[in-house]
Amino acid sequence: DSGVTQTPKHLITATGQRVTLRCSPRSGDLSVYWYQQSLDQGLQFLIQYYNGEERAKGNILERFSAQQFPDLHSELNLSSLELGDSALYFCASSGGTGGVQPQHFGDGTRLSIL
Amino acid sequence: GQNIDQPTEMTATEGAIVQINCTYQTSGFNGLFWYQQHAGEAPTFLSYNVLDGLEEKGRFSSFLSRSKGYSYLLLKELQMKDSASYLCAVRDTGGRDDKIIFGKGTRLHILP
Repeated sequence: DSGVTQTPKHLITATGQRVTLRCSPRSGDLSVYWYQQSLDQGLQFLIQYYNGEERAKGNILERFSAQQFPDLHSELNLSSLELGDSALYFCASSGGTGGVQPQHFGDGTRLSIL
Repeated sequence: GQNIDQPTEMTATEGAIVQINCTYQTSGFNGLFWYQQHAGEAPTFLSYNVLDGLEEKGRFSSFLSRSKGYSYLLLKELQMKDSASYLCAVRDTGGRDDKIIFGKGTRLHILP
């Protein structure tokens, strides 16, 4: 158990819809990262938050947005969903912003777009 | 730009040794991570290298050469449960943001 909690585990929805994925980091971790992993693709970094502030941005589409709340949990919002958005979405947390700070991953949310 | 290369797939035999290579090109560098990921599961942290040399942790060792942009993960005494994908990831401190870039992973198959 990594200590990172993601909900829901599975999500099935239709094109054009909007969903929210939720992540609770490990106790004490200030950084939260979001990744997308499609079939046969590597982990694609989407965005990082540190203590409530956006820290780094990766290949995140404009239809996607995220935030980190004062209690450090984070949400990833995906809107105007397309078939290609079907993927595993992972959240990870770490204690800081750099250095030897391995990321601890949640079990992921599997998003299926019909 | 940023680029991380690893072999797509490898096969090895139970009890043997296997070396998974990773080469990287990033605009900045502040450490290289190896993760293990079983199919459909979350990646789990294996090792971290920031200085040149070998880091040993039980059956797993990881090596880094910063001048060559090269790392490898060495797995000894392979067990069937080692069948998984192994992800190389680099902390890239160049550019506007400090981020971790993952390779596509190496799928390791262990044969009995």
